[in-house]
Amino acid sequence: EPEVTQTPSHQVTQMGQEVILRCVPISNHLYFYWYRQILGQKVEFLVSFYNNEISEKSEIFDDQFSVERPDGSNFTLKIRSTKLEDSAMYFCASWSSYWNEQFFGPGTRLTVL
Amino acid sequence: SQQGEEDPQALSIQEGENATMNCSYKTSINNLQWYRQNSGRGLVHLILIRSNEREKHSGRLRVTLDTSKKSSSLLITASRAADTASYFCATEANTGNQFYFGTGTSLTVIP
Repeated sequence: EPEVTQTPSHQVTQMGQEVILRCVPISNHLYFYWYRQILGQKVEFLVSFYNNEISEKSEIFDDQFSVERPDGSNFTLKIRSTKLEDSAMYFCASWSSYWNEQFFGPGTRLTVL
Repeated sequence: SQQGEEDPQALSIQEGENATMNCSYKTSINNLQWYRQNSGRGLVHLILIRSNEREKHSGRLRVTLDTSKKSSSLLITASRAADTASYFCATEANTGNQFYFGTGTSLTVIP
């Protein structure tokens, strides 16, 4: 069964450092998303991506964040200068318009020290 | 804000009982989805109900949607200990390609 994969599973970084979280969506899906979940809180929408550009973004997704699909398979989330409050689980998802279902990856736990 | 709110926040039942969770949202939607999340794990899609549907079944799951009240319910029948998890509703706004999650219901099924 196809699945969304994310790497790394856990990333520890120092405040102010740049991090890149990687995702491989399900092939032939066209919509991609990033969400985050701060420990104990709800899942928050960050950004959606379609046709090689940002489709929608939330107020959380400020200039410190960027997304890219550098090749035909990877979908990345970059945080330029991490803050303590960026510590969270980051989930990637891809959307199948055929199945009308959003498939989530297992998440990357980001810890900012 | 489009974000949904689930209630109750926490629910504890005995194995074999039914569990009902509710979700309310604020603006018009294309569809509403329910997800399960085991502690520290990713999100698992359970069921999607479109805005023009009122009820949907999948195995032991039954979902209802009342767009006039902007609410949905998830019923898990004959619960099992393995159903212990957090359950979230997520709405797809009809104004754009984005999804908003509720605060979740933490379900504990006692064997």
